[in-house]
Amino acid sequence: AQKVTQAQTEISVVEKEDVTLDCVYETRDTTYYLFWYKQPPSGELVFLIRRNSFDEQNEISGRYSWNFQKSTSSFNFTITASQVVDSAVYFCALSEGITGNQFYFGTGTSLTVIP
Amino acid sequence: ETGVTQTPRHLVMGMTNKKSLKCEQHLGHNAMYWYKQSAKKPLELMFVYSLEERVENNSVPSRFSPECPNSSHLFLHLHTLQPEDSALYLCASSQAGRAPTDTQYFGPGTRLTVL
Repeated sequence: AQKVTQAQTEISVVEKEDVTLDCVYETRDTTYYLFWYKQPPSGELVFLIRRNSFDEQNEISGRYSWNFQKSTSSFNFTITASQVVDSAVYFCALSEGITGNQFYFGTGTSLTVIP
Repeated sequence: ETGVTQTPRHLVMGMTNKKSLKCEQHLGHNAMYWYKQSAKKPLELMFVYSLEERVENNSVPSRFSPECPNSSHLFLHLHTLQPEDSALYLCASSQAGRAPTDTQYFGPGTRLTVL
């Protein structure tokens, strides 16, 4: 079974709209880490955020915010007032255990922001 | 140079060729990774090197051969590839083996096309 599910394959929004990218994960570990990466057309995965399983505080960084809910095993990502530069594929990832080397990635959500 | 670099950025090869992909990290990390990214599929972890020793090999075909001569360099030797091996090959590095799990930082990838 997929450990990380990103059900939204493609999303299109008009510039300045808000958009939420969903991520649902599955793990039996009590210690784990969740990540979001952005992959622009150039190909490089750009690290956005890391969250450990003991910290359920939501985080805001500029126009980006993340909502971590252990009760629903979700780690959703919201972009406020989207811009054309936000167009990219976004990946959610899970790392299990305290020192887990293996990351489990979702299939990604392709976001297109229309000017 | 900073971060994680990969060369070449694009590679086209025939099924009988032998080529190598190179990755170099300038972050002082001690673990490096090869991933394969195919369309519509999650990133697939191929190889992990921690402290220059291979720690995981996820049943990758033998036509892919990794080499990690030191903690800053990682190679992926390719021979007798198949057209289905065409993909984006991503290299990543992290400071693994300690708590908490550290973030993986990615290079820009090599776009490989096998004819």
